[in-house]
Amino acid sequence: NAGVTQTPKFQVLKTGQSMTLQCAQDMNHEYMSWYRQDPGMGLRLIHYSVGAGITDQGEVPNGYNVSRSTTEDFPLRLLSAAPSQTSVYFCASRQTPGGGTGELFFGEGSRLTVL
Amino acid sequence: AQSVSQHNHHVILSEAASLELGCNYSYGGTVNLFWYVQYPGQHLQLLLKYFSGDPLVKGIKGFEAEFIKSKFSFNLRKPSVQWSDTAEYFCAVNTNAGKSTFGDGTTLTVKP
Repeated sequence: NAGVTQTPKFQVLKTGQSMTLQCAQDMNHEYMSWYRQDPGMGLRLIHYSVGAGITDQGEVPNGYNVSRSTTEDFPLRLLSAAPSQTSVYFCASRQTPGGGTGELFFGEGSRLTVL
Repeated sequence: AQSVSQHNHHVILSEAASLELGCNYSYGGTVNLFWYVQYPGQHLQLLLKYFSGDPLVKGIKGFEAEFIKSKFSFNLRKPSVQWSDTAEYFCAVNTNAGKSTFGDGTTLTVKP
């Protein structure tokens, strides 16, 4: 069982370039989300989705787009990369759309450097 | 808006010492509480969770946490740490609205 799969694991971009971080889960989870992890700032929610066709903004959505065309996939797009977006990005999924008792299952992370 | 506060950013202990990591949350409604652990170079994984019943919950690897509703706290404890417990620990809150909010994390270094 693969769980949550993120690609790529590492990426270096130049300022202004665009790219997509891929996230796929094979657990039939309704809820999927993207976090960024920065030193001393914990995990901050970028965008989340409670089901196919439904997305919403988290704490730090600026500069990022998402879509959820299928239950399995939740890609994160950087439209015009900036150095402030240098971070480690985690995709996470949960069985239930509502918070409830469900724990999050995390991917292995994508380390992005913007020069 | 909900928030989570972890009191210690970096804790250094010797093996066999006892551990307590503080976590307080801010939210007026029903919450479900979690501790996640991130070992060096790995992704986050669940350590333990509380959603109802006995406020003292036990997790993997000998960790436990106590939910004190009146103090809005969910502190993590372990009686005797090991070198392999070196990791970053995150407290998190789920609300029924669907969002999961994390604290800033506590880095634990255990000296052999």
